[in-house]
Amino acid sequence: DAKTTQPPSMDCAEGRAANLPCNHSTISGNEYVYWYRQIHSQGPQYIIHGLKNNETNEMASLIITEDRKSSTLILPHATLRDTAVYYCIVRVSSGNTPLVFGKGTRLSVIA
Amino acid sequence: SAVISQKPSRDICQRGTSLTIQCQVDSQVTMMFWYRQQPGQSLTLIATANQGSEATYESGFVIDKFPISRPNLTFSTLTVSNMSPEDSSIYLCSVAGANQPQHFGDGTRLSIL
Repeated sequence: DAKTTQPPSMDCAEGRAANLPCNHSTISGNEYVYWYRQIHSQGPQYIIHGLKNNETNEMASLIITEDRKSSTLILPHATLRDTAVYYCIVRVSSGNTPLVFGKGTRLSVIA
Repeated sequence: SAVISQKPSRDICQRGTSLTIQCQVDSQVTMMFWYRQQPGQSLTLIATANQGSEATYESGFVIDKFPISRPNLTFSTLTVSNMSPEDSSIYLCSVAGANQPQHFGDGTRLSIL
């Protein structure tokens, strides 16, 4: 079973920041927080991951609380192409353990 | 990141038949996985494809229904056997290297009549 809790849906105005929350209160010390998104008719796309420090890349920023029990994915300037289902997943970093998907958050970016 | 190609991208099949889906990666990868995504649902892991040995199946999935091969570090196949309408789904191949994020192909969209 998925170890994360996300809101089922969110709306965001185009050009504004999209802040997607995720709760992972049972996360273990060696587990990372991963974010993926799935645009319609495509496979899931890796966005970002982190352990305890905040992370930023060309796609998004990941903010992890100090107690690591929750995190927020930030898309700084959402566009219509960011409309997708966003999945927050916790797992160890080794790569040998497959991702276990929850239901994710359906983000709709509105013009 | 690895480029993953799946064939076919979609198919329509008759019930009772079988279909083999191919997954080709452009580089050697440590791990390969197969997922199923039923209409309107999230992804469910079917099995881990192990090179040179039998795949490791998740609860609810069996080898007779979903036989998997992985002859080398860049290729795997998933067969959906004796198909019924309930098998209509998207089947996705996924790969991962050591300490690398997992990446996905765009899937095979399968409809059974």
